Amino acid sequence: RKEVEQDPGPFNVPEGATVAFNCTYSNSASQSFFWYRQDCRKEPKLLMSVYSSGNEDGRFTAQLNRASQYISLLIRDSKLSDSATYLCVVTPYNNNDMRFGAGTRLTVKP
Amino acid sequence: DAGITQSPRHKVTETGTPVTLRCHQTENHRYMYWYRQDPGHGLRLIHYSYGVKDTDKGEVSDGYSVSRSKTEDFLLTLESATSSQTSVYFCAISESVETQYFGPGTRLLVL
Repeated sequence: RKEVEQDPGPFNVPEGATVAFNCTYSNSASQSFFWYRQDCRKEPKLLMSVYSSGNEDGRFTAQLNRASQYISLLIRDSKLSDSATYLCVVTPYNNNDMRFGAGTRLTVKP
Repeated sequence: DAGITQSPRHKVTETGTPVTLRCHQTENHRYMYWYRQDPGHGLRLIHYSYGVKDTDKGEVSDGYSVSRSKTEDFLLTLESATSSQTSVYFCAISESVETQYFGPGTRLLVL
């Protein structure tokens, strides 16, 4: 079983839509959680950290459910520029050992 | 953007040859990492460094070695490249667990 699992998609949505991604992790001792964004043939960039209380950054909302061992990312009012692959990241062993999901691809269409 | 460069950006080599990839940072961050990214696997940690001459293994360290003789440079060496090491290699740096900044990547093809 992979440490971190994501639906690879692709998710194809129209501009203005709301879209949600989930990610499950296998190690209940995981401490830190993140969402990264990766554009095609580019490096990953941190989108947001995920806290136990949940957090929001503009149109993006991240939630953590420790009981069910998943994290989620909600994007409201999708923009064309949101088209990218979204990577779920967990640290199951120590904070330097980040485990990445394979990513969920999002395409936002006009 | 964080000051991270990787060299070379693209490399084609033959099976059995040694290959060294370089990561250089201008941010003076303590931690440096090497990842590989393959379809269906996401990024996987190869090795990381928590200071000059201080390194540790990651999830997929077999066949790779690293060295860090200066804060700004972290080298990844494939002693004898194999076709299974064809991948995109990313270096990352961080000063805290909150954020890792990634370099632009190196595309390596082993024939």
